Amino acid sequence: DGGITQSPKYLFRKEGQNVTLSCEQNLNHDAMYWYRQDPGQGLRLIYYSQIVNDFQKGDIAEGYSVSREKKESFPLTVTSAQKNPTAFYLCATSLAGFRNTIYFGEGSWLTVV
Amino acid sequence: DAKTTQPNSMESNEEEPVHLPCNHSTISGTDYIHWYRQLPSQGPEYVIHGLTSNVNNRMASLAIAEDRKSSTLILHRATLRDAAVYYCILRDRSNTGKLIFGQGTTLQVKP
Repeated sequence: DGGITQSPKYLFRKEGQNVTLSCEQNLNHDAMYWYRQDPGQGLRLIYYSQIVNDFQKGDIAEGYSVSREKKESFPLTVTSAQKNPTAFYLCATSLAGFRNTIYFGEGSWLTVV
Repeated sequence: DAKTTQPNSMESNEEEPVHLPCNHSTISGTDYIHWYRQLPSQGPEYVIHGLTSNVNNRMASLAIAEDRKSSTLILHRATLRDAAVYYCILRDRSNTGKLIFGQGTTLQVKP
């Protein structure tokens, strides 16, 4: 099936650990995005990428890192520098350009224990 | 980035029409107006988008004011499954195309 796959759905992290959230798409979309959502709040943009091997910081990039080595994949690493990482993380994709619809994955819950 | 303003919450009765307002007084000429909705613990779902003219699809209608400073999402017959947070978003007109989310409107549908 075509779509966006995020994994894992639920992840627990110990303080001081880095964790990586996976986002894979087979929609042949150029642009990919990572958003963070805290309970009861709207989505905030972490990083986005419009093309392979290129990405830009969003509004809350501190404590996060990404890579875009393949068109299909845009993993997000939550580093130990991110002081409040507990949140719902959403990956999204779209064709290039602002006229196109953005499609979201099902999200990943990250909890620090 | 241009901002949008929506009411925090609205209520509707099942099978009645719902009009969800959005103000975007700083909209630019090439900003598209997008609407998404989100159920708890799920990713947002695209609903509809438009530029100047009113738009219809199988999910909803979008009415855009003539001066484009406001718009209204119309659900013609609300169902319990329409209970969600609805986001009105101006799509970034630069090449990045990223979405900037506000707080959205939480729609409650009463049976």
